[in-house]
Amino acid sequence: EDQVTQSPEALRLQEGESSSLNCSYTVSGLRGLFWYRQDPGKGPEFLFTLYSAGEEKEKERLKATLTKKESFLHITAPKPEDSATYLCAVQELNGGFKTIFGAGTRLFVKA
Amino acid sequence: NAGVMQNPRHLVRRRGQEARLRCSPMKGHSHVYWYRQLPEEGLKFMVYLQKENIIDESGMPKERFSAEFPKEGPSILRIQQVVRGDSAAYFCASSSQTRAGELFFGEGSRLTVL
Repeated sequence: EDQVTQSPEALRLQEGESSSLNCSYTVSGLRGLFWYRQDPGKGPEFLFTLYSAGEEKEKERLKATLTKKESFLHITAPKPEDSATYLCAVQELNGGFKTIFGAGTRLFVKA
Repeated sequence: NAGVMQNPRHLVRRRGQEARLRCSPMKGHSHVYWYRQLPEEGLKFMVYLQKENIIDESGMPKERFSAEFPKEGPSILRIQQVVRGDSAAYFCASSSQTRAGELFFGEGSRLTVL
C-alpha cells in the first residue's frame, strides 16, 4: 500500500496562474513531512519540513501546509523557473529516519 | 562546504559484471541513504546507514545488492552480477544527527546495463 500519494501527476500552468499540489499520506504516526524540488538530471533539493497539523512554511512563491492526512504545496504567481518535479516525503514515528517519497508532481510553467 | 559527492556520474556495465557506486556525505553528516529512481518514477528507498552500521535495509533487494559505510571513506553501494533491470539512477543523500529529516542529495549515479 502506497504511503505517500501525490496529485496531480502533472500540472501545466501559465505564468502567474496560482495553483496547489497535493500530497496525501497514510502512516501510523508522523515524525515529519518534507517537500523537495527536483530538476531534470539533478538530485532533489530540500524545501520544507512540516511536523504537525496546522503548521505552515513559506519560501518565495511557495507555501506548504499540513493537515492530519495531507499536505499542500501552494504556488503563487509561478514563473517558468518554478518548472520542476515536486516531491513529497514522510518519516514515520516508528520508522526511524527512513524517508518514503511520493512519485512527484511534474510542474510546467509557460511564459 | 562541499555537498554530497557521488561517483561515478555515469557507469556502463555488461550483464553479469559488478557495479560499485560511491558516496561521500556532506561534512559533519553521519547518516547516509541510498535511493533508486527509474525514468518518470519517484525515489525508491533502498537502505539507510550510519557509520559502520546498516540501520534499515528494508528496500534493498535480498540478492546481489549490498551497502556499507565504513569508519573511513565513502559509502559504497555494490551490485553484483548486474541485469538490465538494474539500469536506473542511484541517488545518495546524507543528513545530520540533529536534522535527520532534511536530506541533502548528490547528483546521482546513472547505471546502464547492456
